[in-house]
Amino acid sequence: GAVVSQHPSRVICKSGTSVKIECRSLDFQATTMFWYRQFPKKSLMLMATSNEGSKATYEQGVEKDKFLINHASLTLSTLTVTSAHPEDSSFYICSASGHSLGNIQYFGAGTRLSVL
Amino acid sequence: AQSVTQLDSHVSVSEGTPVLLRCNYSSSYSPSLFWYVQHPNKGLQLLLKYTSAATLVKGINGFEAEFKKSETSFHLTKPSAHMSDAAEYFCVVSDRGSSASKIIFGSGTRLSIRP
Repeated sequence: GAVVSQHPSRVICKSGTSVKIECRSLDFQATTMFWYRQFPKKSLMLMATSNEGSKATYEQGVEKDKFLINHASLTLSTLTVTSAHPEDSSFYICSASGHSLGNIQYFGAGTRLSVL
Repeated sequence: AQSVTQLDSHVSVSEGTPVLLRCNYSSSYSPSLFWYVQHPNKGLQLLLKYTSAATLVKGINGFEAEFKKSETSFHLTKPSAHMSDAAEYFCVVSDRGSSASKIIFGSGTRLSIRP
């Protein structure tokens, strides 16, 4: 099956710093990547959709200057949480889909962000 | 507009007994439907998918689901629960007409297994 690698799995940072999370498709070309946020005991909330080489499309209520998304290649997308604050602490999950896989989304293992 | 409803937030069964996790959907188009499983602090793993072929879909780990258009349902079942099945399960709907494959998640059902 398709493998999506997300790194780091856990990060602890000080308030005001920026954190970058990487999402890689290891064995397929990801034409579209998605970033989700999951609150404790809740479902996944879509933050943004990114297509390779294009600007990301953000969902309503998600600050694009706060959550910078770059999808520079068909195998890599990054999410940067800028000037992180404690309320940004959450579980962030990426997914990737590709035409060769019928546009089914395959998920990374998630990143637990804790902002002190 | 698409939506998906998972009728039970928590299901608890004894090991070795059947599992039923319920899901109903609403879609303006012919939907694709999925079940994903999430173990604690982990990402999501695809259990199975329905994309207009056979209405009874078999997935990994002994799970299966049946697409019933007349009932707009896609319930997940397993004949005999195992302790390792304890996890959060999400029913997901996708508009097959959308090239971006945007998906809508249900609220999730937490499955607990009693020894």
